Amino acid sequence: AQSVTQLGSHVSVSEGALVLLRCNYSSSVPPYLFWYVQYPNQGLQLLLKYTTGATLVKGINGFEAEFKKSETSFHLTKPSAHMSDAAEYFCAVLLQTGANNLFFGTGTRLTVIP
Amino acid sequence: DTGVSQDPRHKITKRGQNVTFRCDPISEHNRLYWYRQTLGQGPEFLTYFQNEAQLEKSRLLSDRFSAERPKGSFSTLEIQRTEQGDSAMYLCASSEALRNSPLHFGNGTRLTVT
Repeated sequence: AQSVTQLGSHVSVSEGALVLLRCNYSSSVPPYLFWYVQYPNQGLQLLLKYTTGATLVKGINGFEAEFKKSETSFHLTKPSAHMSDAAEYFCAVLLQTGANNLFFGTGTRLTVIP
Repeated sequence: DTGVSQDPRHKITKRGQNVTFRCDPISEHNRLYWYRQTLGQGPEFLTYFQNEAQLEKSRLLSDRFSAERPKGSFSTLEIQRTEQGDSAMYLCASSEALRNSPLHFGNGTRLTVT
């Protein structure tokens, strides 16, 4: 069965500093991987996804993530944090075969300190 | 593209009452998903439709829960005999038919059972 682990339920960074949100997955086969962002009282918005091909994926709002099969990781980064980045971030996996539903991690709340 | 719409945004009900939520997906999307999200957790899959057919149901979906998508457009999620443990955010999402198509989420219905 697949699982997703997000290390650190809360991360705080200073405005302008590097953002690094960690995601590790467990799956018998390489899955499709997604990062979503959720602002208070709103639904989830797709930041980026990895399916096949280039392992470094660029998304919206300056975020990017790198799929590392050897480390079973899909960490999310942004070179310079902005106040508007403060939100909850969820990593999710989708198996290439079998059950057709996203499996989410427990989320990481990002705080940006001015 | 008007996005995924959910109604109502908030619902407060007394234990034992029945509630029904509605979801209108993006019109071109033939897949529709329901998720439940509790505080501090990622969304948990409940059920999924392709057009009007309900193809997958989570074990989380007890007999008190029923979902329909009668004409392959909007969907309803009904909870009968609500319990305090049903208090959560109920999220609807829709997607295109490709397996790795990203899910587009609505803003959710927050249910409070008193």
